[in-house]
Amino acid sequence: GAVVSQHPSWVICKSGTSVKIECRSLDFQATTMFWYRQFPKQSLMLMATSNEGSKATYEQGVEKDKFLINHASLTLSTLTVTSAHPEDSSFYICSASQLGGALGGYTFGSGTRLTVV
Amino acid sequence: GIQVEQSPPDLILQEGANSTLRCNFSDSVNNLQWFHQNPWGQLINLFYIPSGTKQNGRLSATTVATERYSLLYISSSQTTDSGVYFCAVQTINDYKLSFGAGTTVTVRA
Repeated sequence: GAVVSQHPSWVICKSGTSVKIECRSLDFQATTMFWYRQFPKQSLMLMATSNEGSKATYEQGVEKDKFLINHASLTLSTLTVTSAHPEDSSFYICSASQLGGALGGYTFGSGTRLTVV
Repeated sequence: GIQVEQSPPDLILQEGANSTLRCNFSDSVNNLQWFHQNPWGQLINLFYIPSGTKQNGRLSATTVATERYSLLYISSSQTTDSGVYFCAVQTINDYKLSFGAGTTVTVRA
């Protein structure tokens, strides 16, 4: 089945630094990947849609200059949290699908727990 | 956008009990998935079920697309079934997967 790998699993960084999170589709090509954020005891909220070879599409209220997304290949998307602050501490999860979800649905990475101190 | 409502928000079960989780959605969908989020945050895909009925061991799911709801059945619950169950849907005109608020299931030994 489709496998999505996400790294790192957890990261602690100092306020003001940047953190990069990688999302890879291991056994399929994904022209579109998605980045979600989840706060404690809440549901997943879509942050942005990552499109291979073009600019990401951000959801309303998500700062594109703060959350940089790069989808340079059909198997890799990265999310960089720039100038991180404690309020950016959250659980970030990526997802991908072979055929836009129409066949078999979406697979999720294992998530990255970010703590900004 | 599409609205996804899950009920109940919380469910406490005794080990061995059966339960039903519900997901209502406000528009036609071409993708509906049920996920189990474990204590480490991993989202486990339980079912891809835009319509019909599927079974996998003690779990089964039914989606009635024309009436815009889906049900997840847990039979003979075990403590390992504890966690949050999410329903997520995708409409025909959108690539986005929209999540419900989830049902937190606690199974007690």
